[in-house]
This record gives sequence, structure tokens and C-alpha cells, in this order.
Amino acid sequence: SQKIEQNSEALNIQEGKTATLTCNYTNYSPAYLQWYRQDPGRGPVFLLLIRENEKEKRKERLKVTFDTTLKQSLFHITASQPADSATYLCAPRVKAAGNKLTFGGGTRVLVKP
Amino acid sequence: DTAVSQTPKYLVTQMGNDKSIKCEQNLGHDTMYWYKQDSKKFLKIMFSYNNKELIINETVPNRFSPKSPDKAHLNLHINSLELGDSAVYFCASSQGLVTDTQYFGPGTRLTVL
Repeated sequence: SQKIEQNSEALNIQEGKTATLTCNYTNYSPAYLQWYRQDPGRGPVFLLLIRENEKEKRKERLKVTFDTTLKQSLFHITASQPADSATYLCAPRVKAAGNKLTFGGGTRVLVKP
Repeated sequence: DTAVSQTPKYLVTQMGNDKSIKCEQNLGHDTMYWYKQDSKKFLKIMFSYNNKELIINETVPNRFSPKSPDKAHLNLHINSLELGDSAVYFCASSQGLVTDTQYFGPGTRLTVL
């Protein structure tokens, strides 16, 4: 069965360091992979999308990689700030599924000053 | 201006009752969704509507009935509420079926006693 795995343990990181989050998927061939941020008590907010033919995508201090051979996406937050503290969700999407997003369980990031 | 809004934000009710959650989007989007986020924080799609037509129905009990009176609204009616229905329900919208970014509402926390 299709599975999306994100590290369920919280990632504690010092301000200014780079946080790296992992999203592994099995029995999937996603055409796209998205990353969302979710703050407590709020809905997810879209951050980045990377397509299967792209190796890397950047947006300000965020960087996403997509390795279709390893079936893995890495999400990096460089020069992390306390305001980056949130849960980050990955969501692979298969073309045939229309716009159905399937989310991983998310990884909580806590950036300490 | 709130892009995707939901009411109510909190809903506490007894088992066996019937309740509705309302969702409205002012983004001019064609597609709307309902997601359920359980206590383990997994976000799962329930329904998707495109131009008032049901597109995705993810093996949700038929006690859950979505209704889309127009493109800007997608309401969720739940009959005979059960303890297991307790969760946070998120509404979302996107430009179309193949557009990648989904915009989420703030969520409705449903507690069934």
C-alpha cells in the first residue's frame, strides 16, 4: 500500500542552524511533491512544490530536493529562526489522482533562540 | 479578507446528534475539499467538489454528506455523530482540479461526547 513517512519526532534546532526534514514514500510515483507548514490551531499553508523532473527548488531560506530514485524529498530551512517553529507536512501527488493530496504525518520543528 | 473561512470554529455535541460545518471561499476557485485531521495529526482527504460536482469521495461513512450550493460554498453535514468523529475538519480550495496549491481554512474542532 502507499505510504508516506516523515519523522514523527520533533526536531529541536538552534537558531541560525539549518533544519533538514525528510519525506520518504513507498509504492508511489508522484508527479509532484508539495510541502506545507501548519501552525497550532491553524490550517496548512503551502510553501513549495517540486516536480518529478526537478532536482531542487528554492524559496528564500527554504530548499526542497526530490530524488525519485530514492523516493525521498528533503526540506531544508537555512538560517532558522524561532518563527520557523511549526509542523511541516509533505504531500506527494500522483497525476492520475486529480488534485488529491495525500499528506505525511508531519515533522514538528522547534527553533530555540 | 479571509480567503477560506469555516464556521463554527469549535463544535461540542453529544453522540447521535446531527451537525453541520460551513465553508466559504472568496478566492474565485472552482474546487473545494474537506479534510479530516485526527488526534495523531494525520490529514486525510474526505471529499472534493469541482464546480459543485463531487469528484473525490474517499470511503467516508455515508453519515457524512457534503453539499455545495454554489462554487464558493461547501458544507459538511454529519448525521448520527459518533465518538470517532471527533477531529479537526479543514476545508480547502484550489483554482481547479489540476492546480497544485490548496488554500486551507482555519479548521473546525469537533468534539463528540
